[in-house]
Amino acid sequence: EPEVTQTPSHQVTQMGQEVILRCVPISNHLYFYWYRQILGQKVEFLVSFYNNEISEKSEIFDDQFSVERPDGSNFTLKIRSTKLEDSAMYFCASRIAGADSYEQYFGPGTRLTVT
Amino acid sequence: DAKTTQPTSMDCAEGRAANLPCNHSTISGNEYVYWYRQIHSQGPQYIIHGLKNNETNEMASLIITEDRKSSTLILPHATLRDTAVYYCIVRPGTWGKLQFGAGTQVVVTP
Repeated sequence: EPEVTQTPSHQVTQMGQEVILRCVPISNHLYFYWYRQILGQKVEFLVSFYNNEISEKSEIFDDQFSVERPDGSNFTLKIRSTKLEDSAMYFCASRIAGADSYEQYFGPGTRLTVT
Repeated sequence: DAKTTQPTSMDCAEGRAANLPCNHSTISGNEYVYWYRQIHSQGPQYIIHGLKNNETNEMASLIITEDRKSSTLILPHATLRDTAVYYCIVRPGTWGKLQFGAGTQVVVTP
């Protein structure tokens, strides 16, 4: 069964460094999402992406964050200057297009630790 | 999006049915009820969704009250692998973000 993959599974970085989290959505999906989950807290929406542009973003998704689909398969989340509070699990999700496409498929997540 | 209320936790014996309630008294006419689950910090997994009719798939059944103000997710024969946090989410249509609450921690015991 097709699945969303994410790399790396765990990323450790120092405060102030840039990180890029990578996701490979399911191949025929056209809607892409990033969510995060701080340890012990709720899963929070960050951003959705369709047709090569951001369709919606949360207030968490400030100027330090950016997303890109650099080629036909990858979907990346960049954090320009990481802060301690960016430590979290980051989940990528994707969805096929169409009104009947109700399911978002989530990847296994990348655990980001900022020291 | 409508707010949902779920119990914080519940236990279920292996092999028995697990009935997970969700209140969504402010749901509006175009909002669907979705259920996802998250097994120990893995990515959330879609279970089922419905608008007003009861729904069943290979994972679960969804019972929505006639006034649509509450629903129940039924896992017919719970297994140890069903131990997870279960999220009831209400949102319009099929597109857009998912807004997760705290969910219900379900523990299935032998």
